[in-house]
Amino acid sequence: GNSVTQMEGPVTLSEEAFLTINCTYTATGYPSLFWYVQYPGEGLQLLLKATKADDKGSNKGFEATYRKETTSFHLEKGSVQVSDSAVYFCALPWGYSSASKIIFGSGTRLSIRP
Amino acid sequence: IAGITQAPTSQILAAGRRMTLRCTQDMRHNAMYWYRQDLGLGLRLIHYSNTAGTTGKGEVPDGYSVSRANTDDFPLTLASAVPSQTSVYFCASSGTVSLSGANVLTFGAGSRLTVL
Repeated sequence: GNSVTQMEGPVTLSEEAFLTINCTYTATGYPSLFWYVQYPGEGLQLLLKATKADDKGSNKGFEATYRKETTSFHLEKGSVQVSDSAVYFCALPWGYSSASKIIFGSGTRLSIRP
Repeated sequence: IAGITQAPTSQILAAGRRMTLRCTQDMRHNAMYWYRQDLGLGLRLIHYSNTAGTTGKGEVPDGYSVSRANTDDFPLTLASAVPSQTSVYFCASSGTVSLSGANVLTFGAGSRLTVL
């Protein structure tokens, strides 16, 4: 089945710094790719997604580009805020015939200092 | 507010006891899922259901069972709890089941379970 590997944390940055969280995947075909975010004490929620190669997903100032050549979907933000402190998960479907099942990376904890 | 309700929020349980985690959604989503979240391991899929009346095994199904008698409810049962089942459990749902894999998950707030 498909798999995903993401950058280990924790990551600590100062406010207004540039953020990159790496995510690479192994997949059959070109499945949709997702970033989910988990704020303290809450469940996960979708941050952004890309459904085909070269697509760019964006939301709340975050961006990620689906790059089939490097099998990557890195999350970026130009200027982080304290409110961005959370755990970020890269995700994709388990397999083409099991597309309804989403698997997640191990998560990257991000802390932003004022 | 539409969404997923999980209960209990938190529970401490003696090893060997039976426990059912409840999950109810009011979005009429066809697909539902149970994940466990452990530090350093991210989320791992336990069981899933693509539609009422059907269930399937995920990555870590051993020691757990589920049922899907109707669209809204998807309870997770630990027949005889063990300490390794100490975790945070998340229920999720999805309104579409597509081969393109573009379906988006909606998550509950989680149930923290401690097995002593």
